[in-house]
Amino acid sequence: DTGVSQDPRHKITKRGQNVTFRCDPISEHNRLYWYRQTLGQGPEFLTYFQNEAQLEKSRLLSDRFSAERPKGSFSTLEIQRTEQGDSAMYLCASSLGDRANQPQHFGDGTRLSIL
Amino acid sequence: LAKTTQPISMDSYEGQEVNITCSHNNIATNDYITWYQQFPSQGPRFIIQGYKTKVTNEVASLFIPADRKSSTLSLPRVSLSDTAVYYCLVAWGGKLIFGQGTELSVKP
Repeated sequence: DTGVSQDPRHKITKRGQNVTFRCDPISEHNRLYWYRQTLGQGPEFLTYFQNEAQLEKSRLLSDRFSAERPKGSFSTLEIQRTEQGDSAMYLCASSLGDRANQPQHFGDGTRLSIL
Repeated sequence: LAKTTQPISMDSYEGQEVNITCSHNNIATNDYITWYQQFPSQGPRFIIQGYKTKVTNEVASLFIPADRKSSTLSLPRVSLSDTAVYYCLVAWGGKLIFGQGTELSVKP
């Protein structure tokens, strides 16, 4: 099953360090989404790409966050100068089409813990 | 802000039918109603989607009244493995907005 894969599954780092996560979507999917989820809450939208173009960014995505999808395939999410509040599960999803209501296929996330 | 309202939690027993109702008073004309299921430490999984009336697939049914201001996810004969959080969302061209979801607990 070549679903959405995320790497790493877990990341523990010290406050102030930079971290980078990778997402490999389903190969033919043109849309790629990033979400953040904290305990007991639903996923919160961060940003999404249509092919290689980043079309929308949430105001949750501060200047310390940057996402790329250089060739319209895999994507990376980088957090610079991590803070305690960045501890969360970071989820990636992909879909085929140009509407958000197309079923999104989620990976199992990267759990980030800031010490 | 989430565009939907649903119960925080529900309990059920194995073999029962479970109905989870979602309120979406401000649904837009073009919005679809979509339900996802999430197990701990996993990403959400698409369950079902509909625009109006009734939709059924191999795992669930979705009932949408004519005014589309609410919808009901129906899970027939639940099992212990259906214990999860269920999210109701509305979306068209923009992004998905998740609420807190409904935590369903199925007991033996």
